Amino acid sequence: EVQLVQSGAEVKKPGESLKISCKGSGYSFATYWIGWVRQTPGRGLEWMGIIYPADSHTTYNPSFEGQVTISADKSISTAYLQWSSLKASDTAMYYCARRARGSPFDPWGQGTLVTVSS
Amino acid sequence: EIVLTQSPGTLSLSPGERATLSCRASQSVTSNYLAWYQQKPGRAPRLLIYGISSRATGIPDRFSGSGSGTDFTLTISRLEPEDFAVYYCQQYGTSPNTFGQGTKLEIK
Repeated sequence: EVQLVQSGAEVKKPGESLKISCKGSGYSFATYWIGWVRQTPGRGLEWMGIIYPADSHTTYNPSFEGQVTISADKSISTAYLQWSSLKASDTAMYYCARRARGSPFDPWGQGTLVTVSS
Repeated sequence: EIVLTQSPGTLSLSPGERATLSCRASQSVTSNYLAWYQQKPGRAPRLLIYGISSRATGIPDRFSGSGSGTDFTLTISRLEPEDFAVYYCQQYGTSPNTFGQGTKLEIK
C-alpha cells in the first residue's frame, strides 16, 4: 500500500525554526514527485511547491519562494518542509502528497498542524 | 497563475438526489490536467477524478467529471450519505498548480 506518513503537530513561537517531515512507503520514493500544500480556513488549499527526490529538483510557488525550503532524503524516503523564522501567519495544516508525471496528487499524507503563537 | 472559481459555495441536497458542481478557470487548463478532490472534516483530501473525467482507483461510478477548456463539472448521480463533504477542483498543468476555493455539499 502506498502511504505517506507525516510528522506530528507542532506548536512554535514567532521567529523559531521548524522542519516537518513526510515519509513515503510502498513505492519507489525517488521516482515520484512530492508536493506540499497549505490549508487554512481563510485561503483554502495552496500549492506550495514540489520536489523530485531522485535529483532534488524543486519548483516553488512564487508566493512561497524564500519563505520555506523543500528538501528530500531519498535514502530514507523522506521529504521535508522547513522554515527558518516562523510567523503567526504560518499557522496552518500542511499536507504532503505524491505526484506521478502527468497525474495529480495521490495519495496525501495525514497532515501536520503547525501553530505559531507567542 | 490560473484562478479556479467553484460554484456554488454551498449546495444543500438530500440523499438520492443528483449533485452538479462547477469549476471555472481564468484561462484554459493545459493538457486537460483538471482534478477533483473530496475532503471530509479532519481528513486529507482524496483524489476522485483526474484528467477531467477519469475516476481514480476505487471511486464509485456515481462520480463523473466533464468539461473542457475553462469550464468543468463534477456530477454525483445519486447522493449517498457518505458523499456529503467539501469538494475541490485543481489544475495541475501549469505552475503554480492551483485549487478552487471549494464547494460544501451538505445534507438538506
